[in-house]
Amino acid sequence: SAVISQKPSRDICQRGTSLTIQCQVDSQVTMMFWYRQQPGQSLTLIATANQGSEATYESGFVIDKFPISRPNLTFSTLTVSNMSPEDSSIYLCSVDVGGGGGILNEQFFGPGTRLTVL
Amino acid sequence: RKEVEQDPGPFNVPEGATVAFNCTYSNSASQSFFWYRQDCRKEPKLLMSVYSSGNEDGRFTAQLNRASQYISLLIRDSKLSDSATYLCAVNREDSSYKLIFGSGTRLLVRP
Repeated sequence: SAVISQKPSRDICQRGTSLTIQCQVDSQVTMMFWYRQQPGQSLTLIATANQGSEATYESGFVIDKFPISRPNLTFSTLTVSNMSPEDSSIYLCSVDVGGGGGILNEQFFGPGTRLTVL
Repeated sequence: RKEVEQDPGPFNVPEGATVAFNCTYSNSASQSFFWYRQDCRKEPKLLMSVYSSGNEDGRFTAQLNRASQYISLLIRDSKLSDSATYLCAVNREDSSYKLIFGSGTRLLVRP
């Protein structure tokens, strides 16, 4: 497994502002992901954070709204830009520790960032 | 049909009971299957990977039925501490490492 930390753990923000969430892993990992979990819902993949290149976004998510950085193999940030109340959610990073190429690539999650937008 | 479906529950069982959850998936080519446990206001934690031959870890047994496209999780001798939401996850059709999560099954174990 991997030890993953996220900062901040929670925040309350005003409409129109931006928040950057940090994700730190205790070991180098190839695959890092960002998810969103809205109240009472399951997890939705926002994007794959690629080290040294632009993130790969899923349908419905765009770079202008959710810019992602991945400067090295242990760290990534997700920014939620120009926030609205609809962005209120839990944002989680995850890492895949399958070692590359294996079928059972297990993912482990950070503790999440609980965001409330007023 | 949703790509990954679970009965939301809640399953309300007494301590010591045996309870089973199923999770159906639509992509017949899926290769990776997982069960996660999520406690209230916490992140999902990997409970078990599901191998084609099935696997067991203490009171927990996971099975894969490829013909009917579902995975199952059996919990024996339920404990109060087993109360949580159980999420299944399956790899996406276009990716071996991107997962689709079910909406979760809520389990309540009562004294």
